[in-house]
Amino acid sequence: AQTVTQSQPEMSVQEAETVTLSCTYDTSESDYYLFWYKQPPSRQMILVIRQEAYKQQNATENRFSVNFQKAAKSFSLKISDSQLGDAAMYFCAYRGFPQGGSEKLVFGKGMKLTVNP
Amino acid sequence: EPEVTQTPSHQVTQMGQEVILRCVPISNHLYFYWYRQILGQKVEFLVSFYNNEISEKSEIFDDQFSVERPDGSNFTLKIRSTKLEDSAMYFCASSELAASSYNEQFFGPGTRLTVL
Repeated sequence: AQTVTQSQPEMSVQEAETVTLSCTYDTSESDYYLFWYKQPPSRQMILVIRQEAYKQQNATENRFSVNFQKAAKSFSLKISDSQLGDAAMYFCAYRGFPQGGSEKLVFGKGMKLTVNP
Repeated sequence: EPEVTQTPSHQVTQMGQEVILRCVPISNHLYFYWYRQILGQKVEFLVSFYNNEISEKSEIFDDQFSVERPDGSNFTLKIRSTKLEDSAMYFCASSELAASSYNEQFFGPGTRLTVL
């Protein structure tokens, strides 16, 4: 079974600084997707960024980028130029490639990010 | 922008009672999901639903749980006889395309269920 681990329960960053959130996972599959979701207080989870395991290039979405190390099974999220609106819970998630039809997401425990003005 | 909505935001119930959690997925979506998060623990998959059938369920989703799409808009999770350990945040999600391709799951804000 796949597992996702986020070992840091909380982090803080100064506004405009850069912060890196770590995530490791375990799987025996060779093709899969990895995601970072953001959940602001009392709001729904929204997708921040996704990475396909078969792509060597790290995904980037504006200020958000990932460092995907497939051999190490590591998937970290870097937030550049942190803004107050980035304060949220961040969840790392895994989904297998859907040949067998499984659509379920496997989540980590989440990490609370605080952005200090 | 279309959103997944869930009601109620907080439900308090007595142990042994039945509860129904409601979700309105995004209107053109075809796949529906329930996840839950017990306080301090991981978000866990419960069930996925497509074409009026359960397509996948986890070991958590036992006979006490059921899902239904009673009309064209709602998607419900029923817990027949709640236990203390059912206390959790329950998230509904929906996605547009079939499972044979990548499709983003859009989440609702969650219902906090407290079983006393």
